[in-house]
Amino acid sequence: NAGVMQNPRHLVRRRGQEARLRCSPMKGHSHVYWYRQLPEEGLKFMVYLQKENIIDESGMPKERFSAEFPKEGPSILRIQQVVRGDSAAYFCASSPPGVRGSYEQYFGPGTRLTVT
Amino acid sequence: AQSVTQPDIHITVSEGASLELRCNYSYGATPYLFWYVQSPGQGLQLLLKYFSGDTLVQGIKGFEAEFKRSQSSFNLRKPSVHWSDAAEYFCALAGSGGSNYKLTFGKGTLLTVNP
Repeated sequence: NAGVMQNPRHLVRRRGQEARLRCSPMKGHSHVYWYRQLPEEGLKFMVYLQKENIIDESGMPKERFSAEFPKEGPSILRIQQVVRGDSAAYFCASSPPGVRGSYEQYFGPGTRLTVT
Repeated sequence: AQSVTQPDIHITVSEGASLELRCNYSYGATPYLFWYVQSPGQGLQLLLKYFSGDTLVQGIKGFEAEFKRSQSSFNLRKPSVHWSDAAEYFCALAGSGGSNYKLTFGKGTLLTVNP
């Protein structure tokens, strides 16, 4: 059973460009979470999605950031008009369905975004 | 608001020595607690978790952690460290309320193992 897949692993963007980060959850998992890790910080929750639904986006910056988890295909975290402060590692996690499932979050290897 | 504090940014131990990584939390009720390990360039791997019941929990790779409500702590221990344990360790908390899926992480403790 493959783990959570994220691509690309490394992404370099110039200021003002768009960044698209992809996450494929583990097989059988229907919940996806995105976290951001700034340098020398712990991970911070961004958004929680289920298929075709955003459940909680309280950790997402109000502008330029969006996330989706379509019926088919991976979850996408999109950052428009990137700025240097967006440079971070972005981790995706998935969990199985069920009440307690949300505690069992399995993390992908992350995408390290560098904005130049 | 809930929070997790890992007081030690960096710890160095010799291979074969015992290890204890500290974690303190702030939460109004009994939290759900986790320890994750992150190797360089890798994602986070779950070492162990505490939901309820026995306050001493066993995890993978020979790790264990003890939940102490009176001290608001959940310290991670290993009796004998191996060189492959060198990594960054994160303590995390999930509230038992409605937003229990939001993991709150500490800033991590970097473990260096000397031969």
